[in-house]
Amino acid sequence: ETGVTQTPRHLVMGMTNKKSLKCEQHLGHNAMYWYKQSAKKPLELMFVYNFKEQTENNSVPSRFSPECPNSSHLFLHLHTLQPEDSALYLCASSQEITQASNYGYTFGSGTRLTVV
Amino acid sequence: AQSVAQPEDQVNVAEGNPLTVKCTYSVSGNPYLFWYVQYPNRGLQFLLKYITGDNLVKGSYGFEAEFNKSQTSFHLKKPSALVSDSALYFCAVRDKGYQKVTFGTGTKLQVIP
Repeated sequence: ETGVTQTPRHLVMGMTNKKSLKCEQHLGHNAMYWYKQSAKKPLELMFVYNFKEQTENNSVPSRFSPECPNSSHLFLHLHTLQPEDSALYLCASSQEITQASNYGYTFGSGTRLTVV
Repeated sequence: AQSVAQPEDQVNVAEGNPLTVKCTYSVSGNPYLFWYVQYPNRGLQFLLKYITGDNLVKGSYGFEAEFNKSQTSFHLKKPSALVSDSALYFCAVRDKGYQKVTFGTGTKLQVIP
């Protein structure tokens, strides 16, 4: 385990369903991220949270709704998804001390989402 | 702007042979460079990073990477490949002073027994 836990590991949902992905980090980090990984595509950064505040939204459709109630937990709420949203969704965290922070990211194992 | 290029989609190497996975980068300032490995249906695992100092960086599982500033490269290497090294490898760069990490498209390493 890396210290970043994602649940569920696998999720199958219909296009009319509403579900949520959960991410929890036990590293004391102050920044959290959602990434989408599709087959044969680069990693896509979706959202960035710093100290619970959303600081980046990379033109993600509104059917994806993030929530960060505290610096240890991050959710991705899903509704009316499309089949092309099927992918591996990765959560990551990092410790951003100053602008000179040299840390990389710590990733969770991901949630494999299939939209049917 | 910062970017990373991994020119090879796949690298095949025989078990016991040395391996190299290539990475070049572009940043406006000083780079922080990373290598991650991903096994099937898992997240990315940190292998090693270059921040400053020696150009040869040693990491997990016997991997190392060489930072070459003039060629803006950060190639991943291992002297003797194992079948268990077969996985997807990502190079990443972070410009000093910026939070965002940019990942390459990944290189699939296949070690043949």
